[in-house]
Amino acid sequence: SQQGEEDPQALSIQEGENATMNCSYKTSINNLQWYRQNSGRGLVHLILIRSNEREKHSGRLRVTLDTSKKSSSLLITASRAADTASYFCATDAPGGKLIFGQGTELSVKP
Amino acid sequence: NAGVMQNPRHLVRRRGQEARLRCSPMKGHSHVYWYRQLPEEGLKFMVYLQKENIIDESGMPKERFSAEFPKEGPSILRIQQVVRGDSAAYFCASSPPGGGTDTQYFGPGTRLTVL
Repeated sequence: SQQGEEDPQALSIQEGENATMNCSYKTSINNLQWYRQNSGRGLVHLILIRSNEREKHSGRLRVTLDTSKKSSSLLITASRAADTASYFCATDAPGGKLIFGQGTELSVKP
Repeated sequence: NAGVMQNPRHLVRRRGQEARLRCSPMKGHSHVYWYRQLPEEGLKFMVYLQKENIIDESGMPKERFSAEFPKEGPSILRIQQVVRGDSAAYFCASSPPGGGTDTQYFGPGTRLTVL
């Protein structure tokens, strides 16, 4: 069964606003990653957070991880139209495979 | 250092034909993972291979699908007698020896359309 579940499924905001996406998972993890996918394109790795980390920043991205609640959030600050994409969380599983969530489709209107 | 390469990028097949998808890992990488992304969904793990070995094929459909990673050459994902439900984007990822999930690099994907 799918490890990661994300919400919301779709999010529409205006340029300049912040966007927050959430991911929940079911079993213990070593790390959690966030990816972006533009329509019809490949995956772009955004950020990895390890199970012993609570927060991580990269540019306009802020990721939090709460292992007690088995959840993570991705915050994109001061969003731009170019941030329009689908965002996926992925957790590690035995054997090195990744388990992806269903994704959040973000639309940033100029 | 070239990234993970996949070809073809787009593949159209009629029902009943065979589809062969190729993945060339990054230089020095000996682990390959295949994932499938159905329309409007996230990626789902299919198979994990090392050179000449299938390590984990728990995500592979039991029939019509097979994968290999020979000693020389790219990894191949083969789908026999394709059906419309096989239409999807297929991604491969590679990692170096001993590498885990935090060192997987994804290719651009092959988009398979079954008519």
